[in-house]
Amino acid sequence: AQKVTQAQTEISVVEKEDVTLDCVYETRDTTYYLFWYKQPPSGELVFLIRRNSFDEQNEISGRYSWNFQKSTSSFNFTITASQVVDSAVYFCALSEVSGNEKLTFGTGTRLTIIP
Amino acid sequence: KAGVTQTPRYLIKTRGQQVTLSCSPISGHRSVSWYQQTPGQGLQFLFEYFSETQRNKGNFPGRFSGRQFSNSRSEMNVSTLELGDSALYLCASSLVGGSGNTIYFGEGSWLTVV
Repeated sequence: AQKVTQAQTEISVVEKEDVTLDCVYETRDTTYYLFWYKQPPSGELVFLIRRNSFDEQNEISGRYSWNFQKSTSSFNFTITASQVVDSAVYFCALSEVSGNEKLTFGTGTRLTIIP
Repeated sequence: KAGVTQTPRYLIKTRGQQVTLSCSPISGHRSVSWYQQTPGQGLQFLFEYFSETQRNKGNFPGRFSGRQFSNSRSEMNVSTLELGDSALYLCASSLVGGSGNTIYFGEGSWLTVV
């Protein structure tokens, strides 16, 4: 069975600080996909990034960066120079490549940026 | 390009009633899936439809059902509502599903059962 663990329930940082959100996953599949979503108070899950299990190249996109380490089953997300608009709940998710669409989500990390 | 659209956004129902939620996927997307989000259980997969067929179902009672139409639009229905069904119901769509396509979510339907 798949499992995604986000050990950090809530994080608060002062604006302009860097913050890293942790994600650890479990799966028996050799091929899988990992996602990060952001959920503002409106409720919509906003897609941030998708990474497949064969691509361990880390990525930077503006203030966002992702660190995928297959050896430790981790897919961490870092925001540099945080802003108040980054305040939201962030979810890490895992999907199999099995002919159907199903995401297994972590419990989310509530990030609060203090102005 | 329009995103995933869900209606209604907010609704209040009484225990024992039934409710139907609607979802219009992104144009060209053929896979539609539904999730329930509650403070206690988090985000849980309900079911997924592709080409009008249910391909996968989560661990929910039979009171939860859904369908997909030929234009890929989907509806989900909850019958005999219980207080515990109060939740945010999220619809998601992707191109074909099952191959790691990016999955996009709508804003959700907030259901309150009183």
